[in-house]
Amino acid sequence: GEDVEQSLFLSVREGDSSVINCTYTDSSSTYLYWYKQEPGAGLQLLTYIFSNMDMKQDQRLTVLLNKKDKHLSLRIADTQTGDSAIYFCAERDSGGGADGLTFGKGTHLIIQP
Amino acid sequence: EAGVAQSPRYKIIEKRQSVAFWCNPISGHATLYWYQQILGQGPKLLIQFQNNGVVDDSQLPKDRFSAERLKGVDSTLKIQPAKLEDSAVYLCASSFATLSYNEQFFGPGTRLTVL
Repeated sequence: GEDVEQSLFLSVREGDSSVINCTYTDSSSTYLYWYKQEPGAGLQLLTYIFSNMDMKQDQRLTVLLNKKDKHLSLRIADTQTGDSAIYFCAERDSGGGADGLTFGKGTHLIIQP
Repeated sequence: EAGVAQSPRYKIIEKRQSVAFWCNPISGHATLYWYQQILGQGPKLLIQFQNNGVVDDSQLPKDRFSAERLKGVDSTLKIQPAKLEDSAVYLCASSFATLSYNEQFFGPGTRLTVL
């Protein structure tokens, strides 16, 4: 079945770049997503990438996709204390109308002052 | 624009009791999803509706879970009877389903504790 793997924790210093990695197994994934979850708040879409792209940049966020290795990464430049949250990688299958997401377990991003 | 509304926000029940959760999606969103998020894990899809029809319920434990979306708007998710392992946050999400990347908007969730 589909599986999405992420490391559970990442600690970075304020002002440095954060790189959160994800691997997935479903080769038919059409879109891949990064969601952010802050304490007491719902999941919020940060960014997404279509499977025929290998990079997408949006302000401080850079997404890299290596489809051959089924590897996705999210880089956050100039990490701030407000970036402290859990980041979820998710994939969407192409299959026939059913487009629920498969999520990883999430990476806790910890910012050190 | 109002977001996805869910109620109640918290629920504590004893095992073998029944419980129901309610979701009101963003106005105009045809697609509605229920996810289960167990502590320390990512959300897992339980069921997807398109208008009032079920698109995918392959991961819904149908012996105890049921869901409906009458009139293609609000939805309820029911658990009967609850087990200890059903303790989780139940997230409702909705989407237009016409955008290619199909952003799903999530509600705040209902935190269920089964004792």
